[in-house]
Amino acid sequence: DAGVTQSPTHLIKTRGQHVTLRCSPISGHKSVSWYQQVLGQGPQFIFQYYEKEERGRGNFPDRFSARQFPNYSSELNVNALLLGDSALYLCASSLGQVINTGELFFGEGSRLTVL
Amino acid sequence: DAKTTQPPSMDCAEGRAANLPCNHSTISGNEYVYWYRQIHSQGPQYIIHGLKNNETNEMASLIITEDRKSSTLILPHATLRDTAVYYCIVRGSGNTGKLIFGQGTTLQVKP
Repeated sequence: DAGVTQSPTHLIKTRGQHVTLRCSPISGHKSVSWYQQVLGQGPQFIFQYYEKEERGRGNFPDRFSARQFPNYSSELNVNALLLGDSALYLCASSLGQVINTGELFFGEGSRLTVL
Repeated sequence: DAKTTQPPSMDCAEGRAANLPCNHSTISGNEYVYWYRQIHSQGPQYIIHGLKNNETNEMASLIITEDRKSSTLILPHATLRDTAVYYCIVRGSGNTGKLIFGQGTTLQVKP
């Protein structure tokens, strides 16, 4: 079975541009969470979506937005890119909104470089 | 969610047990201890979690002290492939997909 898939794996943007990152969860999983991991730091929670609705948001500016589609895939959008947005963006899927088993399944991430 | 404290780095000889400590002195009664690891250039991987009893699975064992203020992740026979950053996370049951990662412990397994 395929795991969590993310695209693109790497991309380079310039300041002020916009980026869209995509995530397909594990088949049967209905929840997708997004994390940002800056080099040398642990991942930081950005959003969780479940059944196409936002169910949690971290401390990120409004330039960050996301959505979930009927097939449970998700997009993360970042507008007006800053140099500080350079990071590994991780998508994680789970069966439901509530993580009783403790298991989030992470993808390999999309590495964004902002020049 | 309670804050955790981990040593920034540890070394372990291949084939030996790796014991990774975590302090979570402000943990509350309904909060679980989770461990994830992140191998270089990959996404984090779930290892194990527990509430107050010791837990064991095919990857590792989790020992939680009686007062629950600290825990130890044990990799019984470390291999070179266990070289990774290990994150100890404390969170309540029934929470959403939000995990609060610290900086973790970088475990270097040496031949």
